[in-house]
Amino acid sequence: SQQGEEDPQALSIQEGENATMNCSYKTSINNLQWYRQNSGRGLVHLILIRSNEREKHSGRLRVTLDTSKKSSSLLITASRAADTASYFCATDEGYNTDKLIFGTGTRLQVFP
Amino acid sequence: GAGVSQSPSNKVTEKGKDVELRCDPISGHTALYWYRQSLGQGLEFLIYFQGNSAPDKSGLPSDRFSAERTGGSVSTLTIQRTQQEDSAVYLCASYKYGELFFGEGSRLTVL
Repeated sequence: SQQGEEDPQALSIQEGENATMNCSYKTSINNLQWYRQNSGRGLVHLILIRSNEREKHSGRLRVTLDTSKKSSSLLITASRAADTASYFCATDEGYNTDKLIFGTGTRLQVFP
Repeated sequence: GAGVSQSPSNKVTEKGKDVELRCDPISGHTALYWYRQSLGQGLEFLIYFQGNSAPDKSGLPSDRFSAERTGGSVSTLTIQRTQQEDSAVYLCASYKYGELFFGEGSRLTVL
């Protein structure tokens, strides 16, 4: 079963624009993570935000978490063609488990 | 090597055959996960191992799927009597400090 769902499913923007992706999940969580996947390859960890945090930054990435709405957003500022990839959120199920469930992903296309 | 290694990278098999997919995690990582990703889709959780605890098998889609982890390190995912719907990329990841480290995956095609 899917714990998270991202929207939009696909996003196309021009270089220099900002890209915002959203993730919604179903159960209480300990933390939420964002991963990136280049076409046909393994996933790479981008950032982790804990349930007691509301916002986190890493370079051009900004992640927010709203536990009351069970949602998170990933903002990529000043996008580059190299940011073209699929982005996934992953959550645990909160209670005493490290089982990590991924969302459906957002396919981002950045045009030069 | 420093990363998670999976083999084979590509496997083509005939319907009804058994296949084994191997994962070598990063040394010292105590948790290991298997996921399945169909073309253009998200990751489907299959199973995870944490130290010496019993594995969480709740994502295995049928009893044709099994996995083991020997000596707390290498893991093998076995699919018996493969079906065409088993065609997918099977991803393995090891886990430490809240982060998953993924291998490049094994692409399985069942004809």
